[in-house]
Amino acid sequence: DTEVTQTPKHLVMGMTNKKSLKCEQHMGHRAMYWYKQKAKKPPELMFVYSYEKLSINESVPSRFSPECPNSSLLNLHLHALQPEDSALYLCASSQEVDSTEAFFGQGTRLTVV
Amino acid sequence: GDSVTQMEGPVTLSEEAFLTINCTYTATGYPSLFWYVQYPGEGLQLLLKATKADDKGSNKGFEATYRKETTSFHLEKGSVQVSDSAVYFCALGDRGTASKLTFGTGTRLQVTL
Repeated sequence: DTEVTQTPKHLVMGMTNKKSLKCEQHMGHRAMYWYKQKAKKPPELMFVYSYEKLSINESVPSRFSPECPNSSLLNLHLHALQPEDSALYLCASSQEVDSTEAFFGQGTRLTVV
Repeated sequence: GDSVTQMEGPVTLSEEAFLTINCTYTATGYPSLFWYVQYPGEGLQLLLKATKADDKGSNKGFEATYRKETTSFHLEKGSVQVSDSAVYFCALGDRGTASKLTFGTGTRLQVTL
């Protein structure tokens, strides 16, 4: 199994809603990542988790709250988002933080209305 | 900081034409270099990678050579197919890893019959 699975594939939420994005991998990887990709732009790193601990937060606003409940799961909790937060949110994983290969999921396309 | 510069797209080619997508980088230290491909509506797939100078990454007929002297990692394919139509991202990994990827702006490739 070399897959990173993200759910849901699409999400529409209002600015007052609370929602969560989920990412799962069963490759035994100990590093997991969230990236944000705006339309026609490259992905940008948001968070890095290593061994279930947050190791990098790229100055992401607090309305995005990551959580790593176990080594296979990574969540991104969303609250009070703005329309400009609409984007494709990509999860990735790698064996370790210093591995030379990262595997990406298919992403969750988020629309904030 | 680290940065990646890719040639502007879109690139439009006829099937069986030769493809080159230029990529140059700026980095401190010794990064790893990657090419990722993104098909419409999907996440990122790793196409190939190189972890040190003079390494050649190859996959599915695509090749790229890590050139430290010219800080380049150009993507080539001898004969493109319609199914190669996608957006191609050059990326570098911090300190030789895939842990903190910096992406170029992406190059859209359109292959026609």
